[in-house]
Amino acid sequence: DSGVTQTPKHLITATGQRVTLRCSPRSGDLSVYWYQQSLDQGLQFLIQYYNGEERAKGNILERFSAQQFPDLHSELNLSSLELGDSALYFCASSDGGGFYNEQFFGPGTRLTVL
Amino acid sequence: AQRVTQPEKLLSVFKGAPVELKCNYSYSGSPELFWYVQYSRQRLQLLLRHISRESIKGFTADLNKGETSFHLKKPFAQEEDSAMYYCALIYNQGGKLIFGQGTELSVKP
Repeated sequence: DSGVTQTPKHLITATGQRVTLRCSPRSGDLSVYWYQQSLDQGLQFLIQYYNGEERAKGNILERFSAQQFPDLHSELNLSSLELGDSALYFCASSDGGGFYNEQFFGPGTRLTVL
Repeated sequence: AQRVTQPEKLLSVFKGAPVELKCNYSYSGSPELFWYVQYSRQRLQLLLRHISRESIKGFTADLNKGETSFHLKKPFAQEEDSAMYYCALIYNQGGKLIFGQGTELSVKP
């Protein structure tokens, strides 16, 4: 599958814990985006990386951090988890980093915080 | 602040009927507008974007800057159109997509 891949599919953890979500972009794509989808907030942009550098930031909590590695995969780290962090986390990728570039979405990671 | 509003959570029509999914946005500049679709058990995918001015799967969307709207239309709905539809915008030529809350379209036989 040459599309965007995300691991794990599902993650169940407890409050106060830390988790790492992983995203591999489409082959050749330099930009990675992270979005959070929750029932109350809908789909919200978290952060964008382009070729290893942070390009844009949304309403990402200080407890959350991300990075893009030299092989262009990205990880989203969520720490001191709260019940309200339970959501579907999507990764998307595009070849460029601007609005001309179509974003291709991954299947998402469903995080449940108990 | 930039915002996208989709007033209908659920829109139910019969096969062959016209369908219009409403989208309004608030942004004082010139945003780029998109419609994304998520079919059951599939990924979120781009349906169409204003800059392309294409018709995809019979759907069209017209940007009305006066009314700040980007409604999605199809003259004859098909059962396979049943899905979740999201309107979104990008501003300042960046990559940050701002999504509406989504409208679930249900096309009944």
